[in-house]
Amino acid sequence: SQQGEEDPQALSIQEGENATMNCSYKTSINNLQWYRQNSGRGLVHLILIRSNEREKHSGRLRVTLDTSKKSSSLLITASRAADTASYFCAKVFRGSNYKLTFGKGTLLTVNP
Amino acid sequence: DSGVTQTPKHLITATGQRVTLRCSPRSGDLSVYWYQQSLDQGLQFLIQYYNGEERAKGNILERFSAQQFPDLHSELNLSSLELGDSALYFCASSAGQIENSPLHFGNGTRLTVT
Repeated sequence: SQQGEEDPQALSIQEGENATMNCSYKTSINNLQWYRQNSGRGLVHLILIRSNEREKHSGRLRVTLDTSKKSSSLLITASRAADTASYFCAKVFRGSNYKLTFGKGTLLTVNP
Repeated sequence: DSGVTQTPKHLITATGQRVTLRCSPRSGDLSVYWYQQSLDQGLQFLIQYYNGEERAKGNILERFSAQQFPDLHSELNLSSLELGDSALYFCASSAGQIENSPLHFGNGTRLTVT
């Protein structure tokens, strides 16, 4: 399977702490995207990182991409209770440019 | 608000029935994607349309079909429904190619088949 995995499946932290979520994949990608989903709601796009980029920032979010290790990580700094959600890594694999393939996600709980 | 509208929000129906889910993409977006989300399968890509034409197919069952109309809204038709079709169905739209344009998701239609 091209999908790879995300870990951890679930993460529980205290407000103010940093949260790191990881995503791995097995075949080459064009880009990788991170999305957030609040319970039962639609997904919200966070960051898109292309295969020739190594790091991107958006506010308290930092995404890294290591194509040699076929992995990416999402770091949320100074977490807030409102960051509680599921976070998904999604990949556009080379040769399947019209499809965005999602992982199973990481459920992040930020305790006040 | 993503700008993507899905109706209805909830749908309860019986096995063997047929339903239609509707999606209006963000203004100006030509691409529409359909995804199915269930606890056991996660988010599964079903199908994509670009400006009225089918662009890509994923794990879409033969009992399911979709189309995109000239006004760019899209419909997903699910027929001969089974209990296992119960899931959240999401529509998403994008402005351009997936290499450069993120997806904007609607809030989904929750389908319950009894």
